[in-house]
Amino acid sequence: AAGVIQSPRHLIKEKRETATLKCYPIPRHDTVYWYQQGPGQDPQFLISFYEKMQSDKGSIPDRFSAQQFSDYHSELNMSSLELGDSALYFCASSPPTGPYNEQFFGPGTRLTVL
Amino acid sequence: GQQVMQIPQYQHVQEGEDFTTYCNSSTTLSNIQWYKQRPGGHPVFLIQLVKSGEVKKQKRLTFQFGEAKKNSSLHITATQTTDVGTYFCAGLFISNFGNEKLTFGTGTRLTIIP
Repeated sequence: AAGVIQSPRHLIKEKRETATLKCYPIPRHDTVYWYQQGPGQDPQFLISFYEKMQSDKGSIPDRFSAQQFSDYHSELNMSSLELGDSALYFCASSPPTGPYNEQFFGPGTRLTVL
Repeated sequence: GQQVMQIPQYQHVQEGEDFTTYCNSSTTLSNIQWYKQRPGGHPVFLIQLVKSGEVKKQKRLTFQFGEAKKNSSLHITATQTTDVGTYFCAGLFISNFGNEKLTFGTGTRLTIIP
C-alpha cells in the first residue's frame, strides 16, 4: 500500500540558510499535517492543510511557512535556520472519511543545522 | 493550551511482564488516539477511542478511555521484545471554531529486558 512520502530524508544546512521539505500524502488523502520532533520529545504540531487551505496552526515559527498544492503535496519552507531547528520533521496525512481520522505518518526528514 | 501528559516517561520490564502507560488531558477530549514509534522510526497509528468508557483490545493490547474523556490507558499483557518503542497517546481537541488539533502526549518509552 502507498505510504506518505517525504523528501529529502536527511538534510544538513548552515545557520541562517533556508530549507524546503516536501511531503506527498497517501493518494486520496485530503489533509496534511506537519510535526516537529526534537530528540527524545513528542511530535509537536506545526500546521495543517485541508483541501489546500490552511486548517490549523500550531507552534510554527514565523520563519517557517507551508502550503499545499493542487496535487495535494505540501512543502514546508524554513528560513533563517537556527541551531534549535535541528529535529525530525514528520508529515502526516489523513483520509476524507469520517470527521476525525487517524493520521498516517511519513518516514520523516531529519534536519541538522550546523 | 491543551496539554496531554503521560506516565511513566520510561518503563523497563522483563520480557513476559505486563506494561501500562497512562495518559491524562487537561481538558475533555473528542477522541484519543494511540501511536507507537519504534526507535528511529515514525509514529504508527494503533487505535482510536471515541466513546466515554470505551475499551478496545488488539491481541495483547488493551486500550481504555475514561468516563470523563480526559484520560486513557494502554495495557500490554506479557510483553515481547517486539513491543519495544515509545507509545504516544494523542488527544483530539475540537476548537470553538471547529478546527481539529491532535496533541501528542509526552510518550512512554518501553524497554524490554530479554
